[in-house]
Amino acid sequence: DQQVKQNSPSLSVQEGRISILNCDYTNSMFDYFLWYKKYPAEGPTFLISISSIKDKNEDGRFTVFLNKSAKHLSLHIVPSQPGDSAVYFCAAIEANSKLTFGKGITLSVRP
Amino acid sequence: KAGVTQTPRYLIKTRGQQVTLSCSPISGHRSVSWYQQTPGQGLQFLFEYFSETQRNKGNFPGRFSGRQFSNSRSEMNVSTLELGDSALYLCASSTFAGGGNEQFFGPGTRLTVL
Repeated sequence: DQQVKQNSPSLSVQEGRISILNCDYTNSMFDYFLWYKKYPAEGPTFLISISSIKDKNEDGRFTVFLNKSAKHLSLHIVPSQPGDSAVYFCAAIEANSKLTFGKGITLSVRP
Repeated sequence: KAGVTQTPRYLIKTRGQQVTLSCSPISGHRSVSWYQQTPGQGLQFLFEYFSETQRNKGNFPGRFSGRQFSNSRSEMNVSTLELGDSALYLCASSTFAGGGNEQFFGPGTRLTVL
């Protein structure tokens, strides 16, 4: 049973525009959420996180929004750059236990 | 500071064989977690070790096992390999235990089972 779902396998956006990557979860006990970015032939790297007590966290061009009632979070990248092209994984944690990842979404930013 | 290293980077085995993968965490990190990445399932948690003790385990059969040494280096072993075990195996290290601490991933070991 997939507790963290990234339903769109891919997203293509124009350079300079906004990229919105979505993630849904089913486990209401998740209390911490993270986004990781992965380039080919490299391991994932941490991007940004948000605690369940917040609804927004911003870090430069990256903003994560959390809607607990809808069990939904999203990652906004503004403005998108070609170097942002990668696979993005949404992940969630319950009580500082293991990371549960989504299947990932491939973002392509067109020049 | 050197990053997480994994050896070997690529491995080809046949069904029924066993394999051992190695992970060296970032210096000072005491937690090592292992993940399996496949195209259909994404990243799936295998297990986490902290100070030589398995702290958490994912939903994988007993053919998958691991251990951690006193220097925090970790190995995972897969016995009686099956075709479905073909995947990228990633290890990640962090200072403290638990997924809430930022994990630093290695480049992975690509295992192909023929």
